[in-house]
Amino acid sequence: DAGVTQSPTHLIKTRGQQVTLRCSPKSGHDTVSWYQQALGQGPQFIFQYYEEEERQRGNFPDRFSGHQFPNYSSELNVNALLLGDSALYLCASSLELQQFFGPGTRLTVL
Amino acid sequence: DAKTTQPNSMESNEEEPVHLPCNHSTISGTDYIHWYRQLPSQGPEYVIHGLTSNVNNRMASLAIAEDRKSSTLILHRATLRDAAVYYCILRDPRSSDGLTFGKGTHLIIQP
Repeated sequence: DAGVTQSPTHLIKTRGQQVTLRCSPKSGHDTVSWYQQALGQGPQFIFQYYEEEERQRGNFPDRFSGHQFPNYSSELNVNALLLGDSALYLCASSLELQQFFGPGTRLTVL
Repeated sequence: DAKTTQPNSMESNEEEPVHLPCNHSTISGTDYIHWYRQLPSQGPEYVIHGLTSNVNNRMASLAIAEDRKSSTLILHRATLRDAAVYYCILRDPRSSDGLTFGKGTHLIIQP
């Protein structure tokens, strides 16, 4: 089992651009959550996808959007990038109470 | 999810037990206590969870106070690979919200 995988590993963008991050959940997991982790902070919940729909959302603006595909993989899109969007973006898939995290995508906005 | 309070950092020696405390005085009756850890340059990793009774697994033990207002994660014999940030998180299983992470406890292991 490959576990949760994310791509790309690192990404550099400039202010105002748009970015798409990708996540493949652990085999058999149908729920995917996305988190943003700023340097020195704990991860912050962005949103969760289940059955191809956004089921719950944290305190993030509409610039952050997502999608889940029939194979349960997911994308996180961020529009109109700001310097403050620089962070580690983590994807997690879940089975019952336990969440399994990927290694994250490090996004740098210049 | 209810708030938890953890020390910012703790230090321990290799091969000694480590007790990581967590206070959660506003815990509700349906909240489970979860512990995750995050090793350097990795995503968080599940450690253990419990509701009322103490729990053991291959990674750690979780001791839960009788009134459930505090808990302690116990690493029985710390190794250098246990150096990480440890997060104590409360979660109601009925909720579809994500995990609410605080700043956690940065555990330093001295050789």
